Amino acid sequence: RKEVEQDPGPFNVPEGATVAFNCTYSNSASQSFFWYRQDCRKEPKLLMSVYSSGNEDGRFTAQLNRASQYISLLIRDSKLSDSATYLCVVNMEGSGTYKYIFGTGTRLKVLA
Amino acid sequence: DAGVIQSPRHEVTEMGQEVTLRCKPISGHNSLFWYRQTMMRGLELLIYFNNNVPIDDSGMPEDRFSAKMPNASFSTLKIQPSEPRDSAVYFCASRRALEMNEQFFGPGTRLTVL
Repeated sequence: RKEVEQDPGPFNVPEGATVAFNCTYSNSASQSFFWYRQDCRKEPKLLMSVYSSGNEDGRFTAQLNRASQYISLLIRDSKLSDSATYLCVVNMEGSGTYKYIFGTGTRLKVLA
Repeated sequence: DAGVIQSPRHEVTEMGQEVTLRCKPISGHNSLFWYRQTMMRGLELLIYFNNNVPIDDSGMPEDRFSAKMPNASFSTLKIQPSEPRDSAVYFCASRRALEMNEQFFGPGTRLTVL
């Protein structure tokens, strides 16, 4: 089983739609979780951290379910500019190291 | 403040040649990470340094790969000899400290080995 798994997509959604991505992780000792965004032929950039209580940043909401070992990202009122690949990231410091493990990403295309 | 700087941005070389990728982390950042990204395998951590010391190189694919960090502001990733399967985008990233969460990536080096 992969350490971090994501549905590769693509998710094709119309502008204004709500879309949700899930990501599962295998190591129950994982401590920190993030969503990164990567535009085509660019570097990944931090979108948001994922806290145990869930967190919201504008149109974006991230949630963590430790019992089921998954994190989610919800995007409301999708914009064309949201088209990108969204990478789920788990920080493995729980194992005494500080390695980020990246999922392979979920592609989102927002259509006009 | 400048971000993570990588050079070259693009490299095309022939199989068997030595390739050296360079990275300058953000000033004041003590942790540096080298990643490789391919369509098939996604983003893989190759090696990371803390205070210029290699901490974990378990992701380095084989002995053809080596990385150094001679000082706080410079790191290299070398492939010798290069092979076509090494073709990928290589990213360098830095963090202020290992235990701090936000990690900043450089623009990457797109390597093509013919």
